[in-house]
Amino acid sequence: KQEVTQIPAALSVPEGENLVLNCSFTDSAIYNLQWFRQDPGKGLTSLLLIQSSQREQTSGRLNASLDKSSGRSTLYIAASQPGDSATYLCAVRNTNAGKSTFGDGTTLTVKP
Amino acid sequence: EPEVTQTPSHQVTQMGQEVILRCVPISNHLYFYWYRQILGQKVEFLVSFYNNEISEKSEIFDDQFSVERPDGSNFTLKIRSTKLEDSAMYFCAGQDGRSYEQYFGPGTRLTVT
Repeated sequence: KQEVTQIPAALSVPEGENLVLNCSFTDSAIYNLQWFRQDPGKGLTSLLLIQSSQREQTSGRLNASLDKSSGRSTLYIAASQPGDSATYLCAVRNTNAGKSTFGDGTTLTVKP
Repeated sequence: EPEVTQTPSHQVTQMGQEVILRCVPISNHLYFYWYRQILGQKVEFLVSFYNNEISEKSEIFDDQFSVERPDGSNFTLKIRSTKLEDSAMYFCAGQDGRSYEQYFGPGTRLTVT
């Protein structure tokens, strides 16, 4: 059974700092991994999707990496802004149309 | 840009009542999903749906739950007899057939009293 863990649970940083969020998963036979952002009381916004054959994906100030063999992914946020404050969720899929297994999320606060 | 929509945004119901949560997925998506998130907990998978059939379901998705695609656009989740523990945010999602990226709706907050 796939289990996903995210560390840290919460992170507070000053504006402008670069930061790394971590995601680990127990079953390395994944199909893809997707990072989401969730604002309080809202839905999930897709940030980046990494296929199992890829090592990293970039979108603007975000960079996600994947090390399938060690069961880890990181989300790097450069030059953080107060608008980046949200909960970041990692979701892993083991088949191409199967369910996503989510971590608990990391709640990020960026202070002005 | 196309979006997944869900109605209602908030539903309050009494224990034992039936509720139907509605979703309009992005039109070219073929795989659809329902997830739920109890306050303060992880997002949990409920069911996936493809070609008018359930393709996978979790242990949460018992006989009280059902899904339908009554027409070409809507996708519904029905809970026959709600319990207090069904109170949660329910998310509908669809999958892009080329990128396999999942797109989520804004959710329906279900409160069972």
